[in-house]
Amino acid sequence: ETGVTQTPRHLVMGMTNKKSLKCEQHLGHNAMYWYKQSAKKPLELMFVYSLEERVENNSVPSRFSPECPNSSHLFLHLHTLQPEDSALYLCASSQERNGYGYTFGSGTRLTVV
Amino acid sequence: AQKVTQAQTEISVVEKEDVTLDCVYETRDTTYYLFWYKQPPSGELVFLIRRNSFDEQNEISGRYSWNFQKSTSSFNFTITASQVVDSAVYFCALSATSGTYKYIFGTGTRLKVLA
Repeated sequence: ETGVTQTPRHLVMGMTNKKSLKCEQHLGHNAMYWYKQSAKKPLELMFVYSLEERVENNSVPSRFSPECPNSSHLFLHLHTLQPEDSALYLCASSQERNGYGYTFGSGTRLTVV
Repeated sequence: AQKVTQAQTEISVVEKEDVTLDCVYETRDTTYYLFWYKQPPSGELVFLIRRNSFDEQNEISGRYSWNFQKSTSSFNFTITASQVVDSAVYFCALSATSGTYKYIFGTGTRLKVLA
Protein backbone atom coordinates (compact mmCIF):
# COMPACT_ATOMS: atom_id res chain seq x y z
CA GLU A 1 0.00 0.00 0.00
CA THR A 2 1.76 3.14 -1.19
CA GLY A 3 -0.83 5.68 -0.03
CA VAL A 4 -1.58 6.66 -3.60
CA THR A 5 -3.92 4.33 -5.45
CA GLN A 6 -4.23 4.29 -9.21
CA THR A 7 -6.85 2.46 -11.22
CA PRO A 8 -6.87 0.64 -13.49
CA ARG A 9 -3.44 -0.97 -13.32
CA HIS A 10 -3.59 -1.93 -16.98
CA LEU A 11 -5.63 -0.47 -19.81
CA VAL A 12 -5.81 -1.34 -23.48
CA MET A 13 -7.78 1.07 -25.61
CA GLY A 14 -8.42 1.75 -29.23
CA MET A 15 -7.62 5.07 -30.78
CA THR A 16 -11.26 6.08 -30.91
CA ASN A 17 -12.07 5.15 -27.31
CA LYS A 18 -12.58 7.43 -24.35
CA LYS A 19 -11.30 6.28 -21.00
CA SER A 20 -10.25 7.78 -17.69
CA LEU A 21 -7.43 7.07 -15.29
CA LYS A 22 -8.09 7.58 -11.62
CA CYS A 23 -5.77 8.52 -8.80
CA GLU A 24 -6.69 8.73 -5.15
CA GLN A 25 -4.70 9.74 -2.08
CA HIS A 26 -5.70 10.01 1.55
CA LEU A 27 -2.39 11.26 2.84
CA GLY A 28 -3.62 14.80 3.35
CA HIS A 29 -1.36 16.05 0.58
CA ASN A 30 -2.23 19.28 -1.17
CA ALA A 31 -0.53 18.75 -4.51
CA MET A 32 -1.05 16.04 -7.11
CA TYR A 33 0.78 15.25 -10.31
CA TRP A 34 0.52 13.22 -13.49
CA TYR A 35 3.72 11.85 -14.99
CA LYS A 36 4.25 9.87 -18.17
CA GLN A 37 6.96 7.24 -18.31
CA SER A 38 7.84 5.93 -21.75
CA ALA A 39 10.46 3.35 -22.51
CA LYS A 40 13.97 4.78 -22.52
CA LYS A 41 12.78 8.35 -21.89
CA PRO A 42 12.94 10.45 -18.75
CA LEU A 43 9.88 10.81 -16.61
CA GLU A 44 7.76 13.56 -18.13
CA LEU A 45 5.71 15.83 -15.95
CA MET A 46 2.30 16.34 -17.52
CA PHE A 47 0.13 18.22 -15.05
CA VAL A 48 0.37 19.66 -11.56
CA TYR A 49 -2.54 20.48 -9.31
CA SER A 50 -2.09 22.45 -6.13
CA LEU A 51 -5.08 22.88 -3.85
CA GLU A 52 -7.26 21.60 -6.69
CA GLU A 53 -6.05 24.28 -9.06
CA ARG A 54 -4.05 23.37 -12.11
CA VAL A 55 -0.75 25.16 -11.82
CA GLU A 56 1.16 23.54 -14.59
CA ASN A 57 0.43 22.03 -17.95
CA ASN A 58 3.56 20.95 -19.73
CA SER A 59 2.44 21.37 -23.34
CA VAL A 60 0.44 18.20 -23.17
CA PRO A 61 -1.80 17.46 -26.18
CA SER A 62 -5.46 18.20 -25.66
CA ARG A 63 -6.33 14.53 -26.04
CA PHE A 64 -5.23 14.33 -22.39
CA SER A 65 -7.57 16.18 -20.06
CA PRO A 66 -6.97 16.29 -16.31
CA GLU A 67 -9.56 16.83 -13.64
CA CYS A 68 -9.11 17.38 -9.91
CA PRO A 69 -12.52 17.50 -8.22
CA ASN A 70 -11.04 17.61 -4.72
CA SER A 71 -7.70 17.36 -3.00
CA SER A 72 -7.90 13.57 -2.77
CA HIS A 73 -8.77 12.68 -6.33
CA LEU A 74 -7.17 13.24 -9.68
CA PHE A 75 -8.34 12.00 -13.06
CA LEU A 76 -6.79 11.86 -16.48
CA HIS A 77 -9.38 11.68 -19.22
CA LEU A 78 -8.19 10.16 -22.47
CA HIS A 79 -9.70 10.43 -25.93
CA THR A 80 -8.55 9.73 -29.47
CA LEU A 81 -5.11 8.68 -28.31
CA GLN A 82 -2.26 7.65 -30.56
CA PRO A 83 -0.09 4.52 -30.32
CA GLU A 84 2.83 6.68 -29.15
CA ASP A 85 0.79 7.55 -26.08
CA SER A 86 1.30 4.01 -24.84
CA ALA A 87 3.25 4.35 -21.60
CA LEU A 88 3.13 4.01 -17.84
CA TYR A 89 1.15 6.89 -16.35
CA LEU A 90 2.13 7.68 -12.81
CA CYS A 91 0.25 9.75 -10.31
CA ALA A 92 2.01 11.33 -7.36
CA SER A 93 1.13 13.55 -4.45
CA SER A 94 3.06 15.70 -2.03
CA GLN A 95 2.38 17.86 0.96
CA GLU A 96 4.09 20.91 -0.36
CA ARG A 97 5.99 22.05 -3.35
CA ASN A 98 9.59 21.31 -4.08
CA GLY A 99 11.12 20.25 -0.86
CA TYR A 100 9.09 17.25 0.06
CA GLY A 101 9.26 13.83 -1.41
CA TYR A 102 6.52 12.64 -3.66
CA THR A 103 4.45 9.59 -2.94
CA PHE A 104 3.83 7.76 -6.19
CA GLY A 105 1.12 5.36 -7.17
CA SER A 106 1.84 2.09 -8.94
CA GLY A 107 0.87 3.54 -12.27
CA THR A 108 -1.47 2.61 -15.08
CA ARG A 109 0.13 0.74 -17.95
CA LEU A 110 -1.66 2.09 -21.01
CA THR A 111 -1.52 0.45 -24.40
CA VAL A 112 -3.13 2.19 -27.36
CA VAL A 113 -3.93 -0.10 -30.26
CA ALA B 1 19.22 25.29 -16.69
CA GLN B 2 18.53 22.41 -14.36
CA LYS B 3 19.56 18.93 -15.22
CA VAL B 4 20.13 15.54 -13.64
CA THR B 5 22.48 13.07 -15.26
CA GLN B 6 22.62 9.39 -14.46
CA ALA B 7 25.27 8.20 -16.85
CA GLN B 8 24.94 4.53 -15.94
CA THR B 9 22.08 3.08 -17.93
CA GLU B 10 22.33 -0.43 -16.54
CA ILE B 11 24.52 -2.11 -13.96
CA SER B 12 24.74 -5.81 -13.20
CA VAL B 13 26.34 -7.12 -10.05
CA VAL B 14 26.48 -10.41 -8.26
CA GLU B 15 24.71 -10.68 -4.95
CA LYS B 16 26.72 -9.40 -1.97
CA GLU B 17 28.76 -7.04 -4.10
CA ASP B 18 28.72 -3.34 -3.32
CA VAL B 19 27.44 -1.04 -6.04
CA THR B 20 27.41 2.73 -6.47
CA LEU B 21 24.89 4.57 -8.61
CA ASP B 22 26.06 7.94 -9.83
CA CYS B 23 24.05 11.12 -10.00
CA VAL B 24 25.32 14.48 -11.21
CA TYR B 25 23.11 17.54 -11.16
CA GLU B 26 23.11 21.09 -12.47
CA THR B 27 21.27 24.04 -10.99
CA ARG B 28 21.88 27.73 -10.45
CA ASP B 29 19.71 27.79 -7.35
CA THR B 30 21.47 27.92 -4.01
CA THR B 31 18.62 26.16 -2.27
CA TYR B 32 17.52 22.87 -3.72
CA TYR B 33 16.63 19.32 -2.82
CA LEU B 34 17.92 16.06 -4.12
CA PHE B 35 16.11 12.75 -4.03
CA TRP B 36 16.56 9.11 -4.82
CA TYR B 37 13.65 6.89 -5.80
CA LYS B 38 13.48 3.17 -6.44
CA GLN B 39 11.17 1.72 -9.08
CA PRO B 40 10.71 -2.03 -8.65
CA PRO B 41 9.03 -4.10 -11.38
CA SER B 42 5.64 -3.37 -9.81
CA GLY B 43 5.91 0.15 -11.17
CA GLU B 44 5.56 2.62 -8.33
CA LEU B 45 8.43 4.90 -7.47
CA VAL B 46 9.43 4.49 -3.86
CA PHE B 47 10.94 7.44 -2.06
CA LEU B 48 14.33 6.60 -0.54
CA ILE B 49 15.90 9.84 0.59
CA ARG B 50 15.72 13.61 0.44
CA ARG B 51 18.69 15.91 0.90
CA ASN B 52 18.68 19.69 1.00
CA SER B 53 21.52 21.72 -0.41
CA PHE B 54 22.70 22.93 2.97
CA ASP B 55 23.20 19.51 4.42
CA GLU B 56 26.26 17.79 3.03
CA GLN B 57 26.46 15.13 5.67
CA ASN B 58 26.54 11.67 4.26
CA GLU B 59 23.72 9.43 5.30
CA ILE B 60 23.55 5.75 5.99
CA SER B 61 20.39 3.72 6.27
CA GLY B 62 21.04 0.04 6.68
CA ARG B 63 22.75 -1.16 3.52
CA TYR B 64 22.09 2.14 1.75
CA SER B 65 24.35 5.15 1.91
CA TRP B 66 24.43 8.45 0.11
CA ASN B 67 27.37 10.71 -0.63
CA PHE B 68 26.44 14.34 -1.35
CA GLN B 69 29.26 16.52 -2.62
CA LYS B 70 28.41 20.06 -3.68
CA SER B 71 31.92 20.62 -4.99
CA THR B 72 31.33 18.06 -7.71
CA SER B 73 27.53 18.46 -7.90
CA SER B 74 27.09 14.81 -7.18
CA PHE B 75 24.72 12.80 -5.05
CA ASN B 76 25.81 9.19 -5.33
CA PHE B 77 24.02 6.20 -3.89
CA THR B 78 25.79 3.07 -2.65
CA ILE B 79 24.21 -0.25 -1.84
CA THR B 80 26.39 -2.45 0.32
CA ALA B 81 26.13 -6.23 0.11
CA SER B 82 23.54 -6.07 -2.65
CA GLN B 83 20.62 -8.45 -2.69
CA VAL B 84 18.37 -9.71 -5.47
CA VAL B 85 15.53 -7.62 -4.05
CA ASP B 86 17.57 -4.52 -4.81
CA SER B 87 17.01 -5.13 -8.52
CA ALA B 88 15.08 -2.13 -9.77
CA VAL B 89 15.44 1.12 -11.65
CA TYR B 90 16.79 3.91 -9.48
CA PHE B 91 16.06 7.55 -10.21
CA CYS B 92 17.83 10.60 -8.94
CA ALA B 93 15.81 13.83 -8.90
CA LEU B 94 16.38 17.52 -8.28
CA SER B 95 13.88 20.03 -7.01
CA ALA B 96 14.92 23.66 -6.93
CA THR B 97 13.14 26.48 -5.16
CA SER B 98 12.79 28.67 -8.20
CA GLY B 99 9.05 28.78 -8.02
CA THR B 100 8.00 25.62 -9.74
CA TYR B 101 6.62 22.34 -8.62
CA LYS B 102 8.81 20.42 -10.97
CA TYR B 103 11.12 17.67 -10.15
CA ILE B 104 13.84 17.10 -12.69
CA PHE B 105 14.41 13.38 -12.92
CA GLY B 106 17.43 11.61 -14.29
CA THR B 107 16.91 8.89 -16.85
CA GLY B 108 17.38 6.21 -14.25
CA THR B 109 19.85 3.40 -13.69
CA ARG B 110 18.62 -0.17 -13.99
CA LEU B 111 20.31 -2.33 -11.38
CA LYS B 112 20.32 -6.08 -11.81
CA VAL B 113 21.53 -8.12 -8.88
CA LEU B 114 22.25 -11.68 -9.87
CA ALA B 115 21.99 -14.56 -7.44
